[in-house]
Amino acid sequence: KAGVTQTPRYLIKTRGQQVTLSCSPISGHRSVSWYQQTPGQGLQFLFEYFSETQRNKGNFPGRFSGRQFSNSRSEMNVSTLELGDSALYLCASSAGTGEYEQYFGPGTRLTVT
Amino acid sequence: GQQVMQIPQYQHVQEGEDFTTYCNSSTTLSNIQWYKQRPGGHPVFLIQLVKSGEVKKQKRLTFQFGEAKKNSSLHITATQTTDVGTYFCAGRSGGSYIPTFGRGTSLIVHP
Repeated sequence: KAGVTQTPRYLIKTRGQQVTLSCSPISGHRSVSWYQQTPGQGLQFLFEYFSETQRNKGNFPGRFSGRQFSNSRSEMNVSTLELGDSALYLCASSAGTGEYEQYFGPGTRLTVT
Repeated sequence: GQQVMQIPQYQHVQEGEDFTTYCNSSTTLSNIQWYKQRPGGHPVFLIQLVKSGEVKKQKRLTFQFGEAKKNSSLHITATQTTDVGTYFCAGRSGGSYIPTFGRGTSLIVHP
């Protein structure tokens, strides 16, 4: 099976702009989670989608949003970018929610200048 | 909220030495997962522990889940240069589907 894919892999944006990141999960996986990874805060959970519904949300401001499509592909949007949003954004897919192992994609490296 | 502390933050070893990283949770966990992230890579799932006192082995890696389900450890015997990377634990507390990741332990193996 093909692994989790994320596009784009690298992105440079200016403060105040918005960005959309895309994630295609492993075929058959219906759960997609998003994480932000930074040297200062480590891996932090953003949100999880399952069957097009947001199931869980981490402690991030409303500027961070996402959605999932009927084919399980997911997008994450960050509006009004701030310098502190520079990070590696990781998408992880799993067969279900809860006690399932997660398969991470290669991530999107976002730099905000 | 739930916190998962992981120590040490860094560990330098000579190739062939053993390595251990520890995770401690502020709350009782329903399960704990371990991941490895190579430099420049993404986290890769290693194992999941669910039962109190559970011990699982994968070749030179031994994973333990504490009796109280509040701590866990990963032990690598006779490290190799291929073991280099950051090892993360991720715990879920009862009723929560949101995993809390430890800050990770970066293993540096000197040949």
